[in-house]
Amino acid sequence: KAGVTQTPRYLIKTRGQQVTLSCSPISGHRSVSWYQQTPGQGLQFLFEYFSETQRNKGNFPGRFSGRQFSNSRSEMNVSTLELGDSALYLCASSPAGGFTEAFFGQGTRLTVV
Amino acid sequence: GENVEQHPSTLSVQEGDSAVIKCTYSDSASNYFPWYKQELGKRPQLIIDIRSNVGEKKDQRIAVTLNKTAKHFSLHITETQPEDSAVYFCAASNGNSGGSNYKLTFGKGTLLTVNP
Repeated sequence: KAGVTQTPRYLIKTRGQQVTLSCSPISGHRSVSWYQQTPGQGLQFLFEYFSETQRNKGNFPGRFSGRQFSNSRSEMNVSTLELGDSALYLCASSPAGGFTEAFFGQGTRLTVV
Repeated sequence: GENVEQHPSTLSVQEGDSAVIKCTYSDSASNYFPWYKQELGKRPQLIIDIRSNVGEKKDQRIAVTLNKTAKHFSLHITETQPEDSAVYFCAASNGNSGGSNYKLTFGKGTLLTVNP
């Protein structure tokens, strides 16, 4: 079974631009969650989607948004990029969330210059 | 919301020794506690998890204990090996079996170094 796939692996963007990251979950998994990983803050929860519905959202500004498609693939978008948005963005999939194991993708390394 | 504290932030042990990493959580409704291992440049991978109806769980050299009253849980690694060197994250979730509120709150991580 293929694992969680994130594209692209690396991105360099300029302040003020926007960016879209993609996550393809493990086949059959309907829950996709996103996390931002930085050296100082660790792994911070962005949002979680299940069957195309956002069920939970972390404490990030409205510039961070996401969506999930009917095939469970998910995208997250960051508009008006700031230098502080530089981080590793990880997505994780699980069959339904809750008590089930979350499998992480390799992440997208975003650098804002 | 939930807050997870993890200690120590760095831990250095000699090969063959034991390593213990401790976490505390604030939300008494949390009922699922996974531990992830992240090697340099790689994705976090689940190594063990425990649910709130269990006090201890073992998997070969790894064990996790949970004290619901004190709201803390710990990871124990015995007979450490150099390949155990990585960053370890604890996490807590108040997700239920229906998955209606799934969210993992992570500790800030422990860098474990096992010296040969």
